[in-house]
Amino acid sequence: AQKITQTQPGMFVQEKEAVTLDCTYDTSDPSYGLFWYKQPSSGEMIFLIYQGSYDQQNATEGRYSLNFQKARKSANLVISASQLGDSAMYFCAMREGGFGNEKLTFGTGTRLTIIP
Amino acid sequence: DSGVTQTPKHLITATGQRVTLRCSPRSGDLSVYWYQQSLDQGLQFLIQYYNGEERAKGNILERFSAQQFPDLHSELNLSSLELGDSALYFCASSPGGAEEAFFGQGTRLTVV
Repeated sequence: AQKITQTQPGMFVQEKEAVTLDCTYDTSDPSYGLFWYKQPSSGEMIFLIYQGSYDQQNATEGRYSLNFQKARKSANLVISASQLGDSAMYFCAMREGGFGNEKLTFGTGTRLTIIP
Repeated sequence: DSGVTQTPKHLITATGQRVTLRCSPRSGDLSVYWYQQSLDQGLQFLIQYYNGEERAKGNILERFSAQQFPDLHSELNLSSLELGDSALYFCASSPGGAEEAFFGQGTRLTVV
């Protein structure tokens, strides 16, 4: 079974609108972390936001917020007021396990295109 | 700038050759991870080192090996290269148990 599922291969969104990128995960480990990364066409992986499994509040970083629904095992990324520079691939990833073993398992990504 | 440095940025080599990719983690980070991103396999974890010791292994081929040196920089060695090894290879680092994992800019390897 896929550990991280991103069901939207591509999305087109009008500039200045909010966008939600879906991510569901599968783990039996009570301690885990969820990450979102942005990969622009230049190729680098840019860390956006992190949510720990024990965090009570949804994580926020500027225009990025993570809608964490633990019972549904979903960790959707919300980008408010989208900008042309937000056009990129977005990857959801999960870390399982404890200290010292933090490899990330990635989803297949969502290609977001912002339309002017 | 993530603080993780990878060299070289681009590498073109022939089948059967051997290459070495280098990674310098962020200052103070003890964990280094290597990932491979290819069109057909997506982003795959290869191997993790923590303070010089191998900590976890993923889908790393036997032709590939890695090490982390006392100064914490890491090298990924790829040998007997095949066309299918063409990919973007990322190094990432974290302090260990961290809420962040920062990636380098990647090394784009093309095997011809």
